Amino acid sequence: KQEVTQIPAALSVPEGENLVLNCSFTDSAIYNLQWFRQDPGKGLTSLLLIQSSQREQTSGRLNASLDKSSGRSTLYIAASQPGDSATYLCAVGETSGSRLTFGEGTQLTVNP
Amino acid sequence: NAGVTQTPKFQVLKTGQSMTLQCAQDMNHNSMYWYRQDPGMGLRLIYYSASEGTTDKGEVPNGYNVSRLNKREFSLRLESAAPSQTSVYFCASSPQALYGYTFGSGTRLTVV
Repeated sequence: KQEVTQIPAALSVPEGENLVLNCSFTDSAIYNLQWFRQDPGKGLTSLLLIQSSQREQTSGRLNASLDKSSGRSTLYIAASQPGDSATYLCAVGETSGSRLTFGEGTQLTVNP
Repeated sequence: NAGVTQTPKFQVLKTGQSMTLQCAQDMNHNSMYWYRQDPGMGLRLIYYSASEGTTDKGEVPNGYNVSRLNKREFSLRLESAAPSQTSVYFCASSPQALYGYTFGSGTRLTVV
C-alpha cells in the first residue's frame, strides 16, 4: 500500500524567504505526483503535476522536483509572501487503481 | 463560476440518521470522486466514478453508498450515520483519471 509522508507538518517563515517542502512515498511505481494548496475552510487547488518520466515542473515562483528512485519530491517556493500561507498537500497518482494517495500536508505560515 | 458544487456546506446528524451529500460539476468531466479529510489522516478516497455508469470503492467505503446519477452529478449517501463519520467531505472531478482535479469547497459533517 502506497504511503505518502510530508515533513514538516508545519512551517513558519518570514516574508521573502525561500523555502522547501518535502514529500516522500513508499512505492516508486507511480504514474504522476501532484502538489495542491488548501486554504482554511476551502477545497484543494491544483498547483503542479509532474509526470513519472519528468524531473521537475515550474509555475511562477513554484518549482516541484521528483526523484522516483528515492521516493521523494520537493516543492520549492521562492520569495515567499503572506498570501502563500496555506496547507500544501502532496498526492501520488498510482499506476493501478487510478487513484491519488495524499499526504497529510504541510501547514505554511509566511509572516509579514 | 464553473467548478464543483457541493451541498450542503454544513450538517449535523444524530447517530442512525441518514443523509445524502450532493455534488455536481459543470466542466464535462468524466471522473468524479468522494474524499473525506480527517485530522492526522489526510484525504482518503471513499468512492470514485471513472465514467458515467461506473462506480468503484476507494480506501474507506464502509458505511457509504454512491450514485452517479448522470455525467454531472455524483452523490454520497450515509444510510445510518455514526460518530466515526464526522469529517469534512470533498467531492472532486477530473477529465480523466489522475489529471486535472477540481475540488469542491467541502461539506463539514458532524454526527452526534
